[in-house]
Amino acid sequence: TQLLEQSPQFLSIQEGENLTVYCNSSSVFSSLQWYRQEPGEGPVLLVTVVTGGEVKKLKRLTFQFGDARKDSSLHITAAQTGDTGLYLCAGADAGGTSYGKLTFGQGTILTVHP
Amino acid sequence: NAGVMQNPRHLVRRRGQEARLRCSPMKGHSHVYWYRQLPEEGLKFMVYLQKENIIDESGMPKERFSAEFPKEGPSILRIQQVVRGDSAAYFCASSPETVVGTQYFGPGTRLLVL
Repeated sequence: TQLLEQSPQFLSIQEGENLTVYCNSSSVFSSLQWYRQEPGEGPVLLVTVVTGGEVKKLKRLTFQFGDARKDSSLHITAAQTGDTGLYLCAGADAGGTSYGKLTFGQGTILTVHP
Repeated sequence: NAGVMQNPRHLVRRRGQEARLRCSPMKGHSHVYWYRQLPEEGLKFMVYLQKENIIDESGMPKERFSAEFPKEGPSILRIQQVVRGDSAAYFCASSPETVVGTQYFGPGTRLLVL
C-alpha cells in the first residue's frame, strides 16, 4: 500500500510571508499532482510533475518533484489571503491495473491572515 | 469546455435506501475514477473505470457498492442499503488517455444517511 505523508497539517501565517508544504513517501510515483480544495467543492488541479527533479512555477507557486520521484514540495512566495485553503498532494501509480490511481496525502490547511 | 459534472450535489437517504450518484466526465475523457472523502479523512480511491469496463475496484467495499460506466451516458456509483457510515463526499474524476495521474475532479456529491 502506497502512503503519502503531507506536512504540516495546519499552517497559519501572515500575508507576505513565504511557506513550504511537503509531501513524502517511501514509494516511487509515476507522477505527482497538487490540488487545492475549497469547502464544499472538488479538488482543483494546480500542477502535475512527472520527471524526477522537475521544477514548475505557477506565478507565486513553485512545485518540485524529488529526484527519486518519492517526494514533492509546494512553495508559496509572498502569501496572500486568497491563498487560504486546503492543499492536497496526490501520487499516481502506473503499475498494472492501478494505472493512474491516485494516492492522496492528508492535506495541509493553510490560513493566511491579513 | 465543460468540466466534470456530478449530480446530485447533495443527497439525503434513510438507512436501507439506495443511493445513485452520477458522473459525466470531461469531453474527450475516457477514464473515470471515484473517490470518497469521509469526515476528517483524506480522499480515498474507490474504483477506476473505462467505457463498459471496470479496470480497478480495489478500493470498493465488498458489499453494497457497485459502479458502472456504460457505452452511453454517465458513470454511476450505486450504494445499496445505505448505512450511516456511508455518509461522505463522493468525488468523480476523469482523465485524458495519455497523461498518467492528471485527473480533473467534479464538485462532488455529499451523501447524508439519516
